[in-house]
Amino acid sequence: NAGVTQTPKFRVLKTGQSMTLLCAQDMNHEYMYWYRQDPGMGLRLIHYSVGEGTTAKGEVPDGYNVSRLKKQNFLLGLESAAPSQTSVYFCASSYGQGLTQYFGPGTRLLVL
Amino acid sequence: AQSVTQLGSHVSVSEGALVLLRCNYSSSVPPYLFWYVQYPNQGLQLLLKYTTGATLVKGINGFEAEFKKSETSFHLTKPSAHMSDAAEYFCAVSDRADSSYKLIFGSGTRLLVRP
Repeated sequence: NAGVTQTPKFRVLKTGQSMTLLCAQDMNHEYMYWYRQDPGMGLRLIHYSVGEGTTAKGEVPDGYNVSRLKKQNFLLGLESAAPSQTSVYFCASSYGQGLTQYFGPGTRLLVL
Repeated sequence: AQSVTQLGSHVSVSEGALVLLRCNYSSSVPPYLFWYVQYPNQGLQLLLKYTTGATLVKGINGFEAEFKKSETSFHLTKPSAHMSDAAEYFCAVSDRADSSYKLIFGSGTRLLVRP
């Protein structure tokens, strides 16, 4: 089992460019999440999905879009990157209520 | 709204000393409670969690935490620190009534272990 994987590991973007971050899990989890981690702020939820074909906004959704076309994949898109989106992005998945969320290794994004 | 407070952004202990990392939550209804550890340049790994039952929870690597409803706390302890415990630790909660089951994280505590 690979668990939760994320690609790419690191990316540098210029302001205004777009990109997609890919999260994949092989544990047949229903729930998937995208968080961003910034120094001194812990992790904050961007978007989440409670099943294939469904997505919802989290705490900090502005400037991001997501899609969950397949149960095992959860994509995070930045349509027009801004320096404020420089962060480390983590994907997580779980079976649901009260159960452990498993995290990927993270994607470090730098927007110049 | 639910919130999590971790007292102390940095905690420094000597190798072999007691580790105590503090976590308090805000809700009147006890949430699910978690402690995660993050080693440098890695993702988060579950240390332990409280969902129901016994209030003293044992986790991996010798860590344990006690849920105290009267104090709305879930502090993390380890009797004897090891150099390999140096990492960042996050307390997180999940509202039992929230169907998204999302986690709300504290701001983290970086544990430094002195030789």
